[in-house]
Amino acid sequence: DAGVIQSPRHEVTEMGQEVTLRCKPISGHNSLFWYRQTMMRGLELLIYFNNNVPIDDSGMPEDRFSAKMPNASFSTLKIQPSEPRDSAVYFCASSFSGSFNEQFFGPGTRLTVL
Amino acid sequence: AQSVAQPEDQVNVAEGNPLTVKCTYSVSGNPYLFWYVQYPNRGLQFLLKYITGDNLVKGSYGFEAEFNKSQTSFHLKKPSALVSDSALYFCAVRDDGRSYIPTFGRGTSLIVHP
Repeated sequence: DAGVIQSPRHEVTEMGQEVTLRCKPISGHNSLFWYRQTMMRGLELLIYFNNNVPIDDSGMPEDRFSAKMPNASFSTLKIQPSEPRDSAVYFCASSFSGSFNEQFFGPGTRLTVL
Repeated sequence: AQSVAQPEDQVNVAEGNPLTVKCTYSVSGNPYLFWYVQYPNRGLQFLLKYITGDNLVKGSYGFEAEFNKSQTSFHLKKPSALVSDSALYFCAVRDDGRSYIPTFGRGTSLIVHP
């Protein structure tokens, strides 16, 4: 398996623009997580899906952020409109369901909002 | 509630010397504990986990960790450090049966000097 795939790897955009980040989890995994990593705040969980259903979105910063998982092999994280403080590395991770299962992280998308 | 603490932001060790990266946790039930490593510009990578059984867990790249229930700790260790071990290390905990969402520590930067 190719592992968790994220695209794009780098994104530079201007404030106010819409940004869409994409994730393909490992085949067979039914849990998917979106994280954001910054130097100041460390690793933050944004949203957790299980079997394509959002279970916990309490980490989504505000209404500008939205996430979808239309099927088991694809998820998106959208920011509209983007702001400079959204600049961060965004990771997608997948795993089998169950508290004892480890997560597999994608390579991340480095987002810069000018 | 679950929480995890990594008391050291940075650990410095000379190549060939043993290394320890500390982690303590707090859970209501039984803990599931994980260590991940993050190399520069990469996603987090699973190293090892404790679910149950033997308190000494062996993982990838010669790393091991010891679960200590009385001290609520799960320190990461390696008998002989390599320069290539230099990276950011994250400890994570899940509460047995109570949460499918792990809580990550803030990370410890390990620097191995030649």
